Amino acid sequence: AAGVIQSPRHLIKEKRETATLKCYPIPRHDTVYWYQQGPGQDPQFLISFYEKMQSDKGSIPDRFSAQQFSDYHSELNMSSLELGDSALYFCASSPTPGGQGPSSGANVLTFGAGSRLTVL
Amino acid sequence: AQSVTQLDSQVPVFEEAPVELRCNYSSSVSVYLFWYVQYPNQGLQLLLKYLSGSTLVKGINGFEAEFNKSQTSFHLRKPSVHISDTAEYFCAVSERGGSYIPTFGRGTSLIVHP
Repeated sequence: AAGVIQSPRHLIKEKRETATLKCYPIPRHDTVYWYQQGPGQDPQFLISFYEKMQSDKGSIPDRFSAQQFSDYHSELNMSSLELGDSALYFCASSPTPGGQGPSSGANVLTFGAGSRLTVL
Repeated sequence: AQSVTQLDSQVPVFEEAPVELRCNYSSSVSVYLFWYVQYPNQGLQLLLKYLSGSTLVKGINGFEAEFNKSQTSFHLRKPSVHISDTAEYFCAVSERGGSYIPTFGRGTSLIVHP
């Protein structure tokens, strides 16, 4: 079965540079989520998109932006990179949240393998 | 807003022994509950989920968890662990009728010794 595809898997940048991460959701999943996991930390929710519109916003820095395109893939753009941005960035996808009833499983997220960003 | 507490940051256990990883949550509304596993240098894989119905939920790799509403807990158990179960385990909660964004706990590192 197709999974969530993230690219690149590894990325090394210098401070103050920019980086772009891409996420391709599972086919027919219309909601995409971005999480950031620092070393030894739990995943922190950054932002999500439903039908190409931002649906929820978490602890995403102002230096970061994201969007979802017409083919439902999403990109996370990070500018003015700082050492503290070094982390594993996960993308996840799900069918429409709140689907059809309490057991629809509509908000069960499927995660990609992550993109590891290292800022030097 | 919901929150998750994983009481143990690390759980060492010998192979073939039983294990329980504890998870407590806090929420003012009904919740969905999840356990995810993360193997070294890999993404998060869903182990099991509680959405509604039976409070005992069975997942992959022989794991199960029980939803206890009165104790606001969702502990993960396995009767006999293998070396290959060594990984980081995350409990997560999302609110019914809310934003559906899961909040994760800090994770429990399960270390299985031969």
